[in-house]
Amino acid sequence: EPEVTQTPSHQVTQMGQEVILRCVPISNHLYFYWYRQILGQKVEFLVSFYNNEISEKSEIFDDQFSVERPDGSNFTLKIRSTKLEDSAMYFCASKSGTRDTEAFFGQGTRLTVV
Amino acid sequence: QKEVEQNSGPLSVPEGAIASLNCTYSDRGSQSFFWYRQYSGKSPELIMFIYSNGDKEDGRFTAQLNKASQYVSLLIRDSQPSDSATYLCAVNTVNFGNEKLTFGTGTRLTIIP
Repeated sequence: EPEVTQTPSHQVTQMGQEVILRCVPISNHLYFYWYRQILGQKVEFLVSFYNNEISEKSEIFDDQFSVERPDGSNFTLKIRSTKLEDSAMYFCASKSGTRDTEAFFGQGTRLTVV
Repeated sequence: QKEVEQNSGPLSVPEGAIASLNCTYSDRGSQSFFWYRQYSGKSPELIMFIYSNGDKEDGRFTAQLNKASQYVSLLIRDSQPSDSATYLCAVNTVNFGNEKLTFGTGTRLTIIP
């Protein structure tokens, strides 16, 4: 069964450092997302990406965040200068179509900023 | 702000009984509704989705949607200990044609053997 894969599964970084979280969406999917979940809180939308550009971004997704699809298969989330409050699980998701199609989630990257 | 509300629980249900999980949403224009199960430290896993008013059954799970009341629920029949997890209600919200999932806080369900 096709799946969304994310690497690494756990990343520990020092405050102020840059991190890149990587995702390989399902191959025929067109819509890509990053969500995050701070421990004990709800899953929150960060950004959506379609046709090689950002479709929508949340208030959380400020200038410290960026996304790229550099080679047609990987989909990355970069945080330029991490803050303690960026510690969370980051989930990548992809879907093949709109409205009633399922978003498939990767297993997540746990980011810990120290 | 488009909101999705769930009772955070914990909800405790004896094994073999019916577990009932509820969710309300604020965006009257929402068309698609999803129930995800999330085990601690894991990613959300889709159980089922619904977009028409009424009931939709899949095995032991039944989703119910009432758009007039902006209410969606999930029933789990013959509850098993392995059903113990957090259940996330998610609504597909659309903003100028762009879609995203808006999640509730989740209901923590414990099935008591």
